[in-house]
Amino acid sequence: DIQMTQFPSSLSASVGDRVTITCRTSQSVRTYLNWYQQKPGTAPNLLIYDASSLQRGLPSRFSGSGSGTDFTLTISGLQPEDSATYYCQQSSTTPRTFGQGTKLEIK
Amino acid sequence: QVQLMQSGAEVRKPGASVEVSCRASGYNFTRFGVAWVRQAPGQGPEWMGWISGYNGNTNYAQKFQGRLTMTIDKSTSTVYMELRSLTSDDTAVYYCARDGSRGSSDLWGQGTLVTVSS
Repeated sequence: DIQMTQFPSSLSASVGDRVTITCRTSQSVRTYLNWYQQKPGTAPNLLIYDASSLQRGLPSRFSGSGSGTDFTLTISGLQPEDSATYYCQQSSTTPRTFGQGTKLEIK
Repeated sequence: QVQLMQSGAEVRKPGASVEVSCRASGYNFTRFGVAWVRQAPGQGPEWMGWISGYNGNTNYAQKFQGRLTMTIDKSTSTVYMELRSLTSDDTAVYYCARDGSRGSSDLWGQGTLVTVSS
């Protein structure tokens, strides 16, 4: 199975800040890398697919980059509603493994 | 409305089986696969497997081979997930999720809590 290493595990930032979350895979997944946002008590919500493609209807302050084994999710101009846990997932091979998550707190 | 609607919470004893259903609406069921993902309390999501909405072909994570079965009913646009030989480690919220672009999951059910307890 492809192992996912996501960091930091948690971070705290202020409204308007820019934050970056990193995801590293144990082998190349090309650009088969997805990012999800999850709020307590709800299902994950797809933010970014194919490493850098923004899911339809989502604000452009979310962006993704990377290929191979190193990927980043960037949120520019943080909003209070961005408080959530963020997960990366590789979909290059099965099982489609997830990272352990990054909990983002808005100060 | 495009959605996946899952069956309600379940409680089972160790050793028992559970079946969770996921009914699709608002889109062409046969054009998309559906994955099952579970999430234990306080943990990250765990991908369990996938089933084709077109022909019922499946792909299960090795971890669940032998005790996991996914099936489809095209007449009702419903996907079923059965997990057998339950232990307390199977206590989790179980989600169905539709295949999106490049293997992502772009539409999720609301989740079904399965509790395994003696």
